[in-house]
Amino acid sequence: DADVTQTPRNRITKTGKRIMLECSQTKGHDRMYWYRQDPGLGLRLIYYSFDVKDINKGEISDGYSVSRQAQAKFSLSLESAIPNQTALYFCATSDLRLEYNEQFFGPGTRLTVL
Amino acid sequence: GQNIDQPTEMTATEGAIVQINCTYQTSGFNGLFWYQQHAGEAPTFLSYNVLDGLEEKGRFSSFLSRSKGYSYLLLKELQMKDSASYLCAVRDGDYKLSFGAGTTVTVRA
Repeated sequence: DADVTQTPRNRITKTGKRIMLECSQTKGHDRMYWYRQDPGLGLRLIYYSFDVKDINKGEISDGYSVSRQAQAKFSLSLESAIPNQTALYFCATSDLRLEYNEQFFGPGTRLTVL
Repeated sequence: GQNIDQPTEMTATEGAIVQINCTYQTSGFNGLFWYQQHAGEAPTFLSYNVLDGLEEKGRFSSFLSRSKGYSYLLLKELQMKDSASYLCAVRDGDYKLSFGAGTTVTVRA
């Protein structure tokens, strides 16, 4: 089945460390997104990309960077992790060819920054 | 930006009906989505409305009134597996989604 995968699924790290979260998809979708989810706040958009080399800031991009080197891969980096970046991170994909251009989510990465 | 409000929690009995309301204030509107999210899992797409009215899909229906900035998700014949969070999301003209905080529905036997 075409899918959206995220690695790692869980990560514990220390303040100041550089962290990279990976997202891969076999759906052939053009558009990819990174969100974080915090209790009581819902999903918030960090960055999004509509094509290879296209990068756009979302609602909460400070402290994060992304890379889209291939259609199937979208990486999220935390250059110097801080405790308030502890959250559940989701990658998502979509495509204008879909009937509703709905987004499909990966399984999530639970990140803890100590 | 978008301001999206939905109740935090709802409880209902197996076999009953539950209606989850969502109100939004938007700087641009290009459709409204409902997603279901079980604890610890990814959100999954449930329904989409872009025109006023009711969309029915099996036990789930979704309604939209653009003039009132209002939507609801109706879950009928509730089953235990429907216990989950339900996320209302509004899409803007740039195809970005803004999500509400989610409504946790608990189904009791």
